[in-house]
Amino acid sequence: GAVVSQHPSWVICKSGTSVKIECRSLDFQATTMFWYRQFPKQSLMLMATSNEGSKATYEQGVEKDKFLINHASLTLSTLTVTSAHPEDSSFYICSAPGGLAGVRSYNEQFFGPGTRLTVL
Amino acid sequence: AQKITQTQPGMFVQEKEAVTLDCTYDTSDPSYGLFWYKQPSSGEMIFLIYQGSYDQQNATEGRYSLNFQKARKSANLVISASQLGDSAMYFCAMREGTGRRALTFGSGTRLQVQP
Repeated sequence: GAVVSQHPSWVICKSGTSVKIECRSLDFQATTMFWYRQFPKQSLMLMATSNEGSKATYEQGVEKDKFLINHASLTLSTLTVTSAHPEDSSFYICSAPGGLAGVRSYNEQFFGPGTRLTVL
Repeated sequence: AQKITQTQPGMFVQEKEAVTLDCTYDTSDPSYGLFWYKQPSSGEMIFLIYQGSYDQQNATEGRYSLNFQKARKSANLVISASQLGDSAMYFCAMREGTGRRALTFGSGTRLQVQP
């Protein structure tokens, strides 16, 4: 099946610094990618939709100036957490919808392994 | 209103037995897809099974089957012959409409398989 990678898998940073998380589709093109956030013992919540060649769309309550998204190519989307604070500590997961031949692949969503961010 | 509801925060099952994880959903869109994912402690999301709203038959994938009751808007996951490695969080999710859209997740059920 299709593979999505994320880098880094974990990061610890000081409060006030910026952190960049990369999401790559390794063997397929992804014009759309999704960024989710998962706090401990909670579910995944959609933060934003990343669109190649256009601006990202953010869910209500997500600060677009704090969570900068850049979909630089058909295989790469980046999420930058600017001026990170301890409350931004979370598990960030990206996903890309399928689109390969075959019904199942089209309906699947391929998730990256996630990035655990800890802000001290 | 919650779009995906998982009412079981935690479940226990004996090894080799079957277990059903409940999921109900709410949508007015006639076209939608329902997913189940497994999330072990490592955090990765492992795709288990998919059911489309127009699919006539219940989806099956190995030991996983989805009990799809459209009129009741339920999509329960059945795991047969539970294994110790099945212990994890399980999330039900829905994609409304067609195309490349994000998923809405339920709150999850933590399954623990006991030897």
